[in-house]
Amino acid sequence: KAGVTQTPRYLIKTRGQQVTLSCSPISGHRSVSWYQQTPGQGLQFLFEYFSETQRNKGNFPGRFSGRQFSNSRSEMNVSTLELGDSALYLCASSPTSGAYNEQFFGPGTRLTVL
Amino acid sequence: AQTVTQSQPEMSVQEAETVTLSCTYDTSESNYYLFWYKQPPSRQMILVIRQEAYKQQNATENRFSVNFQKAAKSFSLKISDSQLGDTAMYFCASLSGNTPLVFGKGTRLSVIA
Repeated sequence: KAGVTQTPRYLIKTRGQQVTLSCSPISGHRSVSWYQQTPGQGLQFLFEYFSETQRNKGNFPGRFSGRQFSNSRSEMNVSTLELGDSALYLCASSPTSGAYNEQFFGPGTRLTVL
Repeated sequence: AQTVTQSQPEMSVQEAETVTLSCTYDTSESNYYLFWYKQPPSRQMILVIRQEAYKQQNATENRFSVNFQKAAKSFSLKISDSQLGDTAMYFCASLSGNTPLVFGKGTRLSVIA
């Protein structure tokens, strides 16, 4: 089975621009979660989607949004980029939602905001 | 709210030796899961081991084992016979109910030949 894939792997943007990151979960997985990883804040939860519905949302401003498609692929969008948005964005998939499912992580998208 | 604390930002160990990474957590939930994840340099995060809170027996996976002290809210990871491939960031995390994974800040482990 193919693992979680994320595209693009690296991205450079300038302040004020917007960006869309994509995540394809493992086949059959219906839950996708997104995390932001920075050296200072560590790993912080952004949101979780399950069956095209947002189930959980972390404490991030409204500039961060996401969606999930019927094939479980997910995208996250960051509008009006700020320097502090530079981070590794990880997505993780699991078969269903809830505490009893292992999450499988993708390789991440490294976003640099200049 | 759940919190996870890893008090050791960096550690090093000689190859073939044993090392223990510390983690404490706080949760008001009675049923929860605890995890150790490994993130090698420039590689993706993988699950090392997980522990269900209702199980008293400590989880083990080959050279990896945990010491789960529920009353003390402590969840340490022991790596035996350390190998160069164990060099990575290690994250402790907790999960309960419908709340998302909460991670500690991580411990950078270096295995020295």
